[in-house]
Formats: sequence, structure tokens, C-alpha cells
Amino acid sequence: KQEVTQIPAALSVPEGENLVLNCSFTDSAIYNLQWFRQDPGKGLTSLLLIQSSQREQTSGRLNASLDKSSGRSTLYIAASQPGDSATYLCAVNRGMRFGAGTRLTVKP
Amino acid sequence: DTAVSQTPKYLVTQMGNDKSIKCEQNLGHDTMYWYKQDSKKFLKIMFSYNNKELIINETVPNRFSPKSPDKAHLNLHINSLELGDSAVYFCASSRTNNQPQHFGDGTRLSIL
Repeated sequence: KQEVTQIPAALSVPEGENLVLNCSFTDSAIYNLQWFRQDPGKGLTSLLLIQSSQREQTSGRLNASLDKSSGRSTLYIAASQPGDSATYLCAVNRGMRFGAGTRLTVKP
Repeated sequence: DTAVSQTPKYLVTQMGNDKSIKCEQNLGHDTMYWYKQDSKKFLKIMFSYNNKELIINETVPNRFSPKSPDKAHLNLHINSLELGDSAVYFCASSRTNNQPQHFGDGTRLSIL
């Protein structure tokens, strides 16, 4: 059974820092991996989707990598801003399994 | 224009009642989903429909029955509500089951 783990559970950084969020999964037979952000009281917003055949995807200050063989993905956020404060979730698509999320706080 | 809309936003009801949550997407997507987010914020898939056909049905009590009258709608009907059903329920859609998902804002269900 696929298990998805996100580390750290919570992260607090000063504005301007670069940071990395981690996601690991136990079964490498996936179709794709998605990173989402969730703001309090809201639904999820898709940030990046990496197909199983891809190694990374970039959007603006965000870069996500995928290493299927080791069961890992990272989300890199450059030059963090207070508006980046949210919970970040990764999900592996073969039955859509989510991690528990990393709660990010960026302090002005 | 709201891409994925759920109604109602809040639902407070008594144990044992039957209730429905509606979901509509105006994105022309083929695949729709229902998720449950519990009090610890853990998100779990319940159902997935592709072109009105069920493709994922996780271990969900049969009190929960999804209904897809057309590609743009996936409603969730819940019979005999229990205290443990209290959660936030999210609807989502994607162009195919291998494309980014778009989420609604959720329905917060509280059972008294």
C-alpha cells in the first residue's frame, strides 16, 4: 500500500530565504506526482505536476523534482515571501495518496 | 467564474439524517473526484469518476453514494449520517486522470 510522508511537518523561515520541502513515497509505480498549496479554509491549489517520466518542473519561483527510484520529490521555493505561507501537500497519483503536508510560515 | 463549485459550503445536521453535497465544474473536464479531509487535516480520496463512470472507490462505507448525472456534475449523497462523518469534503476535477486537479472550496459537514 502506497504511503506518502512529508518532512518537515512545519517550517518557519524569514522572508527572502530559499527553502526545500520534502516528500517521500513507498511505491515507485506512480503515474505522476503533484504539489499543492492549501490556504486556511480553502481548497487545494495545484502548483506543479511531474509526470512519472519527468525529472522536474518549474513555475516561477517554484521548482519540483522527482526521483522515482528513490521514492522522493522535493519542492524548492526561491526567495520566499509572506504570501507563500500555507500548507503544502504532495500527492502521488496511482489512487491519489496525499502526504500530511508541511505548514510553512514566512515571516516578514 | 468559479471553476469547481460545491454547495452547500456549510452543513450542520443531526445524526441519522440523509444529506447531499453538490459539485459542478465548468472546465469541461472528464474526471471528477471526492475527497474527505478529517480534523487532523489529512486528505483522503473517496471516489473518482471519469466520463460518468466510477474508476476509484476507496474503502468508503456504502452509506456514501456518488451520483454523476453528467460529466460536469458529481454529487455526494450520504445516508444515516454518523458522528465520524464530520469533516470537510472536497470536490475536484481534472482534464484526464493524469492532469492537474482543480479543487472546490470544500463543504464543512458537522454532525450533532
